[in-house]
Amino acid sequence: KQEVTQIPAALSVPEGENLVLNCSFTDSAIYNLQWFRQDPGKGLTSLLLIQSSQREQTSGRLNASLDKSSGRSTLYIAASQPGDSATYLCAVRGSNDYKLSFGAGTTVTVRA
Amino acid sequence: DADVTQTPRNRITKTGKRIMLECSQTKGHDRMYWYRQDPGLGLRLIYYSFDVKDINKGEISDGYSVSRQAQAKFSLSLESAIPNQTALYFCATSDSPPYQETQYFGPGTRLLVL
Repeated sequence: KQEVTQIPAALSVPEGENLVLNCSFTDSAIYNLQWFRQDPGKGLTSLLLIQSSQREQTSGRLNASLDKSSGRSTLYIAASQPGDSATYLCAVRGSNDYKLSFGAGTTVTVRA
Repeated sequence: DADVTQTPRNRITKTGKRIMLECSQTKGHDRMYWYRQDPGLGLRLIYYSFDVKDINKGEISDGYSVSRQAQAKFSLSLESAIPNQTALYFCATSDSPPYQETQYFGPGTRLLVL
């Protein structure tokens, strides 16, 4: 069974600092990995999707890397802003099924 | 208008009651999913459907049932609610391969079972 872990569970940084969020997974036989953002009272929003054959994906200030062999992904958010405050979830899809396995998330607070 | 909507957004019910959570989507996707989220845990898959005639159990389907009334509608029922079904429930949709498999989530239904 795929286990997905996100450390730390919570993070507080001053505005302008770069954010580094970590995700680890136990089974390296994955199809893809996604990073989601969750805001209170709203659903999850997909930020980046990395296929298993890719090493990274970038969108604006966000960059996600994937090291499948070591079972790790990192989400970098450059020059953080208070609007980046949210919970960030990592989800992995196995190569043999359609199920997404989610981590518990990292709750980020960016202080103005 | 939101692409994935869920009703109700909040619900309080009593142990033993039957309740239904509804999900509608305007994205034209074939695939739909129901998840629950508990504090400190990731989302867990309850049921998923790849089209109207294809419904599958997820990892925690006991105590739940679903109905796919149309491509755009997927309902989750709790036949006899119990307190440990108190959670935040999400519906999601996705396109079918070979298209992008990003899942699009509704805003969630917060359920409290007393």
